Amino acid sequence: GAGVSQSPSNKVTEKGKDVELRCDPISGHTALYWYRQSLGQGLEFLIYFQGNSAPDKSGLPSDRFSAERTGGSVSTLTIQRTQQEDSAVYLCASSLVGTSGGPAYNEQFFGPGTRLTVL
Amino acid sequence: DQQVKQNSPSLSVQEGRISILNCDYTNSMFDYFLWYKKYPAEGPTFLISISSIKDKNEDGRFTVFLNKSAKHLSLHIVPSQPGDSAVYFCAAGNQGGKLIFGQGTELSVKP
Repeated sequence: GAGVSQSPSNKVTEKGKDVELRCDPISGHTALYWYRQSLGQGLEFLIYFQGNSAPDKSGLPSDRFSAERTGGSVSTLTIQRTQQEDSAVYLCASSLVGTSGGPAYNEQFFGPGTRLTVL
Repeated sequence: DQQVKQNSPSLSVQEGRISILNCDYTNSMFDYFLWYKKYPAEGPTFLISISSIKDKNEDGRFTVFLNKSAKHLSLHIVPSQPGDSAVYFCAAGNQGGKLIFGQGTELSVKP
């Protein structure tokens, strides 16, 4: 398939453990985003990668959260010393950022998400 | 500070009637707005968008209206179908940047 893929689809971990979540964006998409959705909440922005620019980390809730994007493609979101409040669905999205013509609608294509449960 | 708000957590509509989902925002600098639809256990899927320079965009049964003076947008679905039942998120952003999402409205279309 040509869509955004994420792995694992579900992750159960114990409080205090580290977890890594993976995102494979759509080939050729220059921008990659991480969001999370806690129970009953909307989507909360975490971090954004655009090409070779420094990532926008303004949404990361604490220094236990970090993300990398290697080779401008695959991204890994790492949560260290997980806490129960980290339990959420973590969603990755990618987009082609328009640069010409009229307004560039930043349509982001989302993956199915990783459901993280911290016990 | 909730920059994008969807004040109705749920909406129930009869099949064939119009569904109107509402969204308010506070930041007048947003360049564009989008609506996403989300089914359980799936990621959100893009539905329709509108630039801040327009006040209406239509795509089949879906129309988005933007009222910049009121900082309000709405999504109209007509006629509503049972398959439209899902959670709808409005989002706002600037070109090439992050999206700010509302809390979502769960639409239920009853046969």
